[in-house]
Amino acid sequence: QVQLQESGPGLVKPSETLSLNCTVSGDSISGYYWNWIRQSPGRGLQWIANIHYSGRTTYNPSLQSRVTLSLDTSRNQFSLKVRSVTAADTAVYYCARGPGWLPTNWGQGTLVTVSS
Amino acid sequence: EIVLTQSPGTLSLSPGERATLSCRASQSVAKNYLAWYQQKPGQAPRLLIYEASNTATGVPDRFSGSGSGTDFTLTISRLEPEDFAVYYCLQCSISPLAFGQGTKVEIK
Repeated sequence: QVQLQESGPGLVKPSETLSLNCTVSGDSISGYYWNWIRQSPGRGLQWIANIHYSGRTTYNPSLQSRVTLSLDTSRNQFSLKVRSVTAADTAVYYCARGPGWLPTNWGQGTLVTVSS
Repeated sequence: EIVLTQSPGTLSLSPGERATLSCRASQSVAKNYLAWYQQKPGQAPRLLIYEASNTATGVPDRFSGSGSGTDFTLTISRLEPEDFAVYYCLQCSISPLAFGQGTKVEIK
């Protein structure tokens, strides 16, 4: 049974970079798509981006200029970076796996607050 | 970009009743790549239905999905106490993937 666990700072200052990791256990990172999705009271669920195990990425155009995804197959991890954050980036961030673009298995989520 | 609109916003029903939730897309969802998720407080969304009508592994058969093109429906045939939650639809046919705003099913 695959498990996903998000990790990273819970508090980020405005204008700085939000960095999160998702560690995958119980299965290899190979052969799947890996997604980041966030949820805030004001915006609901928002898909951020995904990365294929080959390294190919697809980004939400609304965030593309500030977001970077990467894979570390040796650690069975993938990562999210969001630059120049504002209060609007405050949300619960989820990582999720998909056999295609459909997110099927999700992490428990991690709350990131943007505040000085 | 596809926008999904769910209705109603809130559904007040009693255990044992039938729930019918709607998801309408701003343009046709190719290959019916429309999914439904259930979310309870403090938990991640759980996949219920994929490709409009296929039930995910382990999901009770009281949950069913239907529809095609721009109009999709999630039906819960007889509500159990554990079914009171928020339900979201998601289109994953084109980028960006998009969620509906959710329907809350609450106990009447």
